[in-house]
Amino acid sequence: EVQLVESGGGLVQPGGSLRLSCAASGFIVNSHYMSWVRQAPGKGLEWVSSLYTASSTDYADSVKGRFTISRDNSKNMLYLQMNSLGVEDTAVYYCAREKSNAWDDAFDIWGQGTMVTVSS
Amino acid sequence: DNQMTQSPSSLSASVGDRVTITCRASQGISNYLAWYQQKPGKVPKLLIYDASTLQSGVPSRFSGSGSGTDFTLTISSLQPEDVATYYCQKYNSARTFGQGTKVEIK
Repeated sequence: EVQLVESGGGLVQPGGSLRLSCAASGFIVNSHYMSWVRQAPGKGLEWVSSLYTASSTDYADSVKGRFTISRDNSKNMLYLQMNSLGVEDTAVYYCAREKSNAWDDAFDIWGQGTMVTVSS
Repeated sequence: DNQMTQSPSSLSASVGDRVTITCRASQGISNYLAWYQQKPGKVPKLLIYDASTLQSGVPSRFSGSGSGTDFTLTISSLQPEDVATYYCQKYNSARTFGQGTKVEIK
């Protein structure tokens, strides 16, 4: 079964750091473009970051310079390193797979999400 | 930045009604547009990609159209299980989402 499972969420103080992990099964993570999407409580979906190839990444302006997306092919894992966290980063974070690895495409597989709460 | 604007932000319709949601990109995106359905407390689900291609397993009452800057999601006959929030998303360069449209049953 094709599946994504996120972990690493939790409570962190403002200014702190957290690393989210996303374990992929049923497919090879480096065979697809991969992304992170977040959803603040009661709000809409917000795209956070995408990883196209090992060296090609993209970030929303709201997280640029603070968040880093990466992948470990040997573990079939996707990561999101989040630094300088603020209360506005409080959200459920989803990892998602794009349908293709060769061109821009829609997100066909989503994880169940992991909650990040930034609070003192 | 290329913004995605959905309308309406919410709607209420009767079972069996035809429902239309629109999404407008501030710059042309060809057909790099997807629609997602998110039921309360659930993970988003892909409905339509490439503006008009139905994802496998999605009921045929859902359809999408448009190209360039203006797009439409249509539910031909609203069903109780369609109560959800619907999002458009562009996926050329930044994968920006619209703000969502909440669909309720009247």
